[in-house]
Parts: sequence; structure tokens; C-alpha cells
Amino acid sequence: GNSVTQMEGPVTLSEEAFLTINCTYTATGYPSLFWYVQYPGEGLQLLLKATKADDKGSNKGFEATYRKETTSFHLEKGSVQVSDSAVYFCASRAGARQLTFGSGTQLTVLP
Amino acid sequence: DAGITQSPRHKVTETGTPVTLRCHQTENHRYMYWYRQDPGHGLRLIHYSYGVKDTDKGEVSDGYSVSRSKTEDFLLTLESATSSQTSVYFCAISEGSDTGELFFGEGSRLTVL
Repeated sequence: GNSVTQMEGPVTLSEEAFLTINCTYTATGYPSLFWYVQYPGEGLQLLLKATKADDKGSNKGFEATYRKETTSFHLEKGSVQVSDSAVYFCASRAGARQLTFGSGTQLTVLP
Repeated sequence: DAGITQSPRHKVTETGTPVTLRCHQTENHRYMYWYRQDPGHGLRLIHYSYGVKDTDKGEVSDGYSVSRSKTEDFLLTLESATSSQTSVYFCAISEGSDTGELFFGEGSRLTVL
């Protein structure tokens, strides 16, 4: 079956630090990959996605590249802000019927 | 924002009572999903629907049932709530493409005493 493993949290960084959250997946075939973000008290919002190998998804300064050879989709941002504090979820979708999520990584950015 | 409304947003109930959570969409999307979110587990799929009266089980379906009599509504029922079902429940919708995103509701927090 499909599964997603992401870096355990929590992660605490100072403002303007570099962020990496690791994510690896197992799937049959070639899934689409997603990063979702959840701000306190809210539902999940799509942050970025990539649908095939070597695609790079990007949004709001965040980037992630679909690496088929390492089955990875690591999330990066060059300079985090306090407003980036949230829970980040990696997810994969192999087929139309469902999305499989990682366990989430809590990020706290300190001023 | 995708038109997804969950109700109730908060509920406290006692063990053994029935509970129904409602998800309503205005996007006419084919797929609807119920997930639960628990610390350390991320989001886990309970049930999903791929059309009116077409539903299937997810990975944590025991103790839950669903119904979809109209495109816009997807109901999640706990026939006899247990404390292990205390969680935050999220509804999501999707057009169904395997490259498309899911859009999530704001969540329903259920506490079973």
C-alpha cells in the first residue's frame, strides 16, 4: 500500500533560518505528491504539489522537488518567518480515490 | 475558498450515544472524504464517497458509517460513540483527478466522555 513518512517534530527555528522538512513515500506506480499546511484552529490548505518526477512545486517561498530515485519530496524554505509557524503535512495520491498523509511536523518560528 | 461547511463544529457527548457529523459542499465535486486527525497520526481516512450512494471504507472505518444521498451532503455517523473516537474530524472534497488537490473543511471537534 501507499505510505508517507515525514520528519518528526517539533521543529523550532529562529526567523530567517533555513527550513527543511523531510518526506519520503512508498507507493505503487507514480503518485502525485503534496504539501499541506495547517494553521492553528483551521483546516488543511494546499501549499504546493508535484505530479511527476523532477517536478518542482513552489509557493510562498516554499519549494519541494519530486525525486523518484530517492522517493522523496522534501520541503524547503530559505528564510522562514514567524507567520510560517504551523503544522506541515506531506501527502501522496496514487489514483483518484484518496490521499495518504504523513504524521505532520509542527514548526515554530521565533522572532 | 472552497465551499465546504461542517456541522457541528464542536460537540461533547457521552459514551454510547449516537453522533452524526455533516459535511455540505457547494462545489459539485464528485469525491467526498472523512478523515480524523489525532496527535502523532496525521490524518487518517475513515470513509470516502465517489458518487451518490457510492461509498467505501478507509483505513480506520470500524465504528463509523457514512451516507451520501445527495451530491452536496456526506454524513458521518458514530452509532455508539466511544472515548477512542474523541478526535477532530475533517471533511474534504475533490474533483477526482489523481493529480488534483483535496479541499478541506474547518473541522469538527468531537469529545466523547
